[in-house]
Amino acid sequence: KAGVTQTPRYLIKTRGQQVTLSCSPISGHRSVSWYQQTPGQGLQFLFEYFSETQRNKGNFPGRFSGRQFSNSRSEMNVSTLELGDSALYLCASSESTGGETQYFGPGTRLLVL
Amino acid sequence: AQSVSQHNHHVILSEAASLELGCNYSYGGTVNLFWYVQYPGQHLQLLLKYFSGDPLVKGIKGFEAEFIKSKFSFNLRKPSVQWSDTAEYFCAVNARGATNKLIFGTGTLLAVQP
Repeated sequence: KAGVTQTPRYLIKTRGQQVTLSCSPISGHRSVSWYQQTPGQGLQFLFEYFSETQRNKGNFPGRFSGRQFSNSRSEMNVSTLELGDSALYLCASSESTGGETQYFGPGTRLLVL
Repeated sequence: AQSVSQHNHHVILSEAASLELGCNYSYGGTVNLFWYVQYPGQHLQLLLKYFSGDPLVKGIKGFEAEFIKSKFSFNLRKPSVQWSDTAEYFCAVNARGATNKLIFGTGTLLAVQP
């Protein structure tokens, strides 16, 4: 099976802009989670989607949002970008929810100037 | 609050040395435990996991980990490291039966000298 794919892989934006990142889970996986990885804060959970419903949300401002489509693909959106949003955004998929094993994609590296 | 602690931030070993990376967690309920590895320039990969049963679990590339419930620990071990084990290692937990949300430790950067 193909792994988790994320597009784009690299992105440069300026402060105040918005960005949309995309994630395609492993075929058959219905849960998608998003994480932010930075040198200072490490890996932090953003949100989890399962069957198009947000199951859980991390401690991030409302500028961070996401959604999941009926084919399990997911997008996350960050509006009004700040310099501190520069990070590697990771998507992970799993077959179901409730403590399943997650498999990670390569990430989207976002640089905000 | 739920948390994961990895005590070693940087570890430098010579090839063939033994490895043990510490991981302790704080959580009030039943957890699943994971070790992930991030090789330079690559994405996070699952090394091993513990859900239930035998507390000694074996993973890929000769790694193993032992779950000690009384100590809230899940330490990673390898008897003989190789240069190719140079990577960052992350311990993580999630709440069994509740959510896939992973809480990660801060990571341990392992450098193996040839």
